[in-house]
Amino acid sequence: DADVTQTPRNRITKTGKRIMLECSQTKGHDRMYWYRQDPGLGLRLIYYSFDVKDINKGEISDGYSVSRQAQAKFSLSLESAIPNQTALYFCATSVLGLGTGELFFGEGSRLTVL
Amino acid sequence: SQQGEEDPQALSIQEGENATMNCSYKTSINNLQWYRQNSGRGLVHLILIRSNEREKHSGRLRVTLDTSKKSSSLLITASRAADTASYFCATDSAEAGGTSYGKLTFGQGTILTVHP
Repeated sequence: DADVTQTPRNRITKTGKRIMLECSQTKGHDRMYWYRQDPGLGLRLIYYSFDVKDINKGEISDGYSVSRQAQAKFSLSLESAIPNQTALYFCATSVLGLGTGELFFGEGSRLTVL
Repeated sequence: SQQGEEDPQALSIQEGENATMNCSYKTSINNLQWYRQNSGRGLVHLILIRSNEREKHSGRLRVTLDTSKKSSSLLITASRAADTASYFCATDSAEAGGTSYGKLTFGQGTILTVHP
């Protein structure tokens, strides 16, 4: 079983709909992240959380919100989806430690907004 | 703007040849990491090099870091068709005291194609 699980893996929706992407992890890591990847581009950070009570905006948080329901769960919401939010979304985890910071990624959630 | 920028954007080689990818960045870093992504899949961590290190090896991978030039390179030796993927560098920027921010900034990636 995957250590970082994202659901749904694929979703097609319409403009204006509310969408939630969910992420759960079994790695026991405190830190969780949501990134967005667009074709031909790198990954851009949307939100990150260093523990259950900590939520931080990333580079491109406008139009998104998150919820850290538990150490193992971090969900991303699009309150009113728009076509330019069509992208591949990745959840990732990491653990704090000296010289570390390696991210562990889920398999991605492909979102299409029509 | 992108913290890490890879060069070249695409690289096509024959099996057995070496592949070199470069990454430049703009701010002080705590460490620099390289990731691999097979088409449409999640990224997988390859190697991490700290700001006080100059070179690191892992199997067929060799990473160098030049903090004075704010650049890094990833060398894959004796490439295989299975190495075909996108490769991303990612930087963990440092606070003034050198403490990691704990979040990575990714470059746009190099698409590597290895022909059998």
